[in-house]
Amino acid sequence: NAGVTQTPKFQVLKTGQSMTLQCAQDMNHNSMYWYRQDPGMGLRLIYYSASEGTTDKGEVPNGYNVSRLNKREFSLRLESAAPSQTSVYFCASSLRGGLHEQYFGPGTRLTVT
Amino acid sequence: AQRVTQPEKLLSVFKGAPVELKCNYSYSGSPELFWYVQYSRQRLQLLLRHISRESIKGFTADLNKGETSFHLKKPFAQEEDSAMYYCALSGDPLQTSGSRLTFGEGTQLTVNP
Repeated sequence: NAGVTQTPKFQVLKTGQSMTLQCAQDMNHNSMYWYRQDPGMGLRLIYYSASEGTTDKGEVPNGYNVSRLNKREFSLRLESAAPSQTSVYFCASSLRGGLHEQYFGPGTRLTVT
Repeated sequence: AQRVTQPEKLLSVFKGAPVELKCNYSYSGSPELFWYVQYSRQRLQLLLRHISRESIKGFTADLNKGETSFHLKKPFAQEEDSAMYYCALSGDPLQTSGSRLTFGEGTQLTVNP
């Protein structure tokens, strides 16, 4: 039981490049989330998927897109990376919505130069 | 709109001293409040939640609706408590605000020997 897994662990991009961050969970959770963590700003929600087949914007969705591929997988895409997107990205999942405990992945450290 | 504020970015105490991490929130309904913790080189994880009214690792938190606060307290801090602590809020489960968590900015606690 791996919980929440994320790939890659580290990534360096040049401005304008694109990439997809992958996230998978094996806990049969309905809800999945993407956050970014920046010093002094805490965790900010980028996008979430309350259930398979739905996605919604969070606090800071600009510059990102998501795909809920199936119940297990939720990917985050940066179409044209910018230095402001340098951050640590966390994926999380919960059984259903915000009232249930969220389980986090190990994070992806992204640097955009 | 829901908002969580943690006024202290950094908090430093000595081992054995009491510690209080402050959390204030704004939300028009009845929120559910949580504390999440991130130890060095570990994943973000749930520490405790208001609805459970439990003490975890000696920590407790009381929801004060009058002051809209959910401060985290421990009477005798230990060195292993050093970590980043996040307060989080979830709203009405029947509304969008209940589908997700809103996190505060985080407080980095250091317990000195």
